[in-house]
Amino acid sequence: SAVISQKPSRDICQRGTSLTIQCQVDSQVTMMFWYRQQPGQSLTLIATANQGSEATYESGFVIDKFPISRPNLTFSTLTVSNMSPEDSSIYLCSVERDAGYGYTFGSGTRLTVV
Amino acid sequence: GENVEQHPSTLSVQEGDSAVIKCTYSDSASNYFPWYKQELGKGPQLIIDIRSNVGEKKDQRIAVTLNKTAKHFSLHITETQPEDSAVYFCAASRRGGGNKLTFGTGTQLKVEL
Repeated sequence: SAVISQKPSRDICQRGTSLTIQCQVDSQVTMMFWYRQQPGQSLTLIATANQGSEATYESGFVIDKFPISRPNLTFSTLTVSNMSPEDSSIYLCSVERDAGYGYTFGSGTRLTVV
Repeated sequence: GENVEQHPSTLSVQEGDSAVIKCTYSDSASNYFPWYKQELGKGPQLIIDIRSNVGEKKDQRIAVTLNKTAKHFSLHITETQPEDSAVYFCAASRRGGGNKLTFGTGTQLKVEL
């Protein structure tokens, strides 16, 4: 299965600033997914990122707040913009392991906004 | 869209006992159902999954059953051990429909000595 490296693993940020999270995969993948996990909660899909096209955002998430880049088949970034304390969450990237099956997750970025 | 409900939210068992976690889904077109284990401070780890063309799958102490008619699936852990203590999430997706995973709300499993 794919190995995912996420950076940073955690950060404490001031409100009003932005943080860019990186996701690096050790193999080429078509689709990459970004999730948010609020404290003690389940995982919610933010957007799906395909290489060479604009990311597709889920209801409640907008590009201005969570811009995503997908420059190649092994890398993606998620930016959390103009942060507020409500953005304090774990952000996770995920990839398919086998064409629609066996999704693998990174270890996550634990973000605290103060 | 898909909605996945998961029960119970917390489950405490004695070491060696069995644990069962149940999920229901709403989209009859969903055809892939993975289970994830998330330990504190880590990302979710896939522990077992089932596709809609089978009713049961087993891997050592864990098994998953699927009832497509009733739209529910369950995780069974036998001979529980303290290292099984974690949060477990069920999920559902429709392969070919964007392949997006919809997660259940999670079950905090505690295995007591």
